[in-house]
Amino acid sequence: EVQLVQSGAEVKKPGESLKISCKGSGYSFTSYWIGWVRQMPGKGLEWMGIIYPGDSDTRYSPSFQGQVTISADKSISTAYLQWSSLKASDTAMYYCARHRGGSYEVDYWGQGTLVTVSS
Amino acid sequence: QSVLTQPPSVSAAPGQKVTISCSGSSSNIGNNYVSWYQQLPGTAPKLLIYDNNKRPSGIPDRFSGSKSGTSATLGITGLQTGDEADYYCGTWDSSLSPWVFGGGTKLTVL
Repeated sequence: EVQLVQSGAEVKKPGESLKISCKGSGYSFTSYWIGWVRQMPGKGLEWMGIIYPGDSDTRYSPSFQGQVTISADKSISTAYLQWSSLKASDTAMYYCARHRGGSYEVDYWGQGTLVTVSS
Repeated sequence: QSVLTQPPSVSAAPGQKVTISCSGSSSNIGNNYVSWYQQLPGTAPKLLIYDNNKRPSGIPDRFSGSKSGTSATLGITGLQTGDEADYYCGTWDSSLSPWVFGGGTKLTVL
């Protein structure tokens, strides 16, 4: 069974750093792109970026380029989303998502990680 | 503002049919497959339709998808109260972000 299991909720202060994770299981982790999606409170889905764990090829949405860093450790089948200096506006639910090869639709989603940034 | 345009909301009575549109351009919908996602309140999204009109295993045939030119449509027949959710289209984009979602449509089953 394919599963994407994300790390737990985080409460941080503005200016702090954060790295959240997404562990894949039940499939060949290095053979599928993993993306990250932001959902701010009461808002829609925003696609942030994507990584191919097989070779660490990474692409970002222009809206998130330079704001976050996506990485992966294929030895432990885990993808990461990282901030170096959080802002209150980073408060959101973050989902990891597996993009299927070919037409790249998201066929599996993580359960979400709620990040709250507040002073 | 999303690259893919969806109506903010649609509504219909139980048992009726509803369609949700998703409008894009030649850099996204016009030259790539469209997928659709259902997000029930408080849950992660779920894949409903991929490759414009294919359903994953377990998705009832009440849900259908189509594409024409730079627009796509999700259809839901035999509406149930359990279908109340937010629906998003998504596709690859060759000019901007590699992947884009529509702004989402809230379905209310009256």
